Amino acid sequence: KAGVTQTPRYLIKTRGQQVTLSCSPISGHRSVSWYQQTPGQGLQFLFEYFSETQRNKGNFPGRFSGRQFSNSRSEMNVSTLELGDSALYLCASSLEAANNEKLFFGSGTQLSVL
Amino acid sequence: AQKITQTQPGMFVQEKEAVTLDCTYDTSDQSYGLFWYKQPSSGEMIFLIYQGSYDEQNATEGRYSLNFQKARKSANLVISASQLGDSAMYFCAMRALRDFGNEKLTFGTGTRLTIIP
Repeated sequence: KAGVTQTPRYLIKTRGQQVTLSCSPISGHRSVSWYQQTPGQGLQFLFEYFSETQRNKGNFPGRFSGRQFSNSRSEMNVSTLELGDSALYLCASSLEAANNEKLFFGSGTQLSVL
Repeated sequence: AQKITQTQPGMFVQEKEAVTLDCTYDTSDQSYGLFWYKQPSSGEMIFLIYQGSYDEQNATEGRYSLNFQKARKSANLVISASQLGDSAMYFCAMRALRDFGNEKLTFGTGTRLTIIP
């Protein structure tokens, strides 16, 4: 069974540009959540989607957005990139989205903003 | 609000020895779950073990066990017979157990474990 797949693995952008990251969850998983990991702030929750609906959102500016498609694949978009957006972006999926379920994470997309 | 504290930024342990990674937490929720994840240099977060706040027995998963002391709000991870492949970052995390499965995971700052041959 394939794991959570995130593309691209690495991305280099310049300030002011926008970027789209993709996440394919494990087959059959309907919940997808996104986390940002930086050396300074650690792991922080961005948002969670279930059946194409955003159900929870972290404390990030509106430049960070996401969506989920009918096949559960998810994308997140960051517009008007800032240097501080440089981070590892991790996507996680789970089956039924019960809170005692473990999340399966992908290897992440390493975004560098120059 | 939830808070996870991991006070050991780094640890060096001899191969085959047991190791305990510390985790304390703070929450106003009565029902919550505690998780441990391992992050090797590849970046992927790998689930290790889960403990629910109402579970009476300490969780075990192979070489991993969770020493859960609810009154002290601690959830330490114990790895028995450490192996070179255990070298990685280890994160403690928690999640409120409410009705809907959309609660975020709150992570600690992590402990970098290095196993010495």
